[in-house]
Amino acid sequence: DGGITQSPKYLFRKEGQNVTLSCEQNLNHDAMYWYRQDPGQGLRLIYYSQIVNDFQKGDIAEGYSVSREKKESFPLTVTSAQKNPTAFYLCASGPLRYGYTFGSGTRLTVV
Amino acid sequence: GQQLNQSPQSMFIQEGEDVSMNCTSSSIFNTWLWYKQDPGEGPVLLIALYKAGELTSNGRLTAQFGITRKDSFLNISASIPSDVGIYFCAGPPSGAGSYQLTFGKGTKLSVIP
Repeated sequence: DGGITQSPKYLFRKEGQNVTLSCEQNLNHDAMYWYRQDPGQGLRLIYYSQIVNDFQKGDIAEGYSVSREKKESFPLTVTSAQKNPTAFYLCASGPLRYGYTFGSGTRLTVV
Repeated sequence: GQQLNQSPQSMFIQEGEDVSMNCTSSSIFNTWLWYKQDPGEGPVLLIALYKAGELTSNGRLTAQFGITRKDSFLNISASIPSDVGIYFCAGPPSGAGSYQLTFGKGTKLSVIP
């Protein structure tokens, strides 16, 4: 079955650590996206990539980094520069017109 | 940028009741999408609308593309406990260079058994 897989489901980060969230899709989609979700805030775009080896900042890119070395993969790194990283992170892929397919999310908590 | 305003922000209903929610914009949209997010999961696409005036059903869900192209409505009939979640409207902004969906902030639905 085609889909988009995020891992891990739960992640704990110590102060000052970088952590990487995985996102893999087998839907043959060119475009991939990372969103952050906080309670009552809706979905906020962090980074997006429309093609391999290219990506663009979204609305809240500070403290995050991404790479797109393969069409199937779009990992997100939450760096120590992100001062409030506790949130639910969603990866998505797909064309605009037909809607994105979302992963099941990663919940990141700072301990 | 273009924004989508969803209402209500949250609602509590009795099991078996019908539910209505809507999404409005000050700008024209050419596509309207409705998603549902279960607690702790990613959003899932429920219905996609592509023409002004279009009415589309998916089981107990019915969505309409407003004739002004600036709004859309989602109705759920005979609600059940598994309807609990957050419902998002979304669409690609009109005009050249659109590269991401615009999302509403969601309507949180709670169903009382």
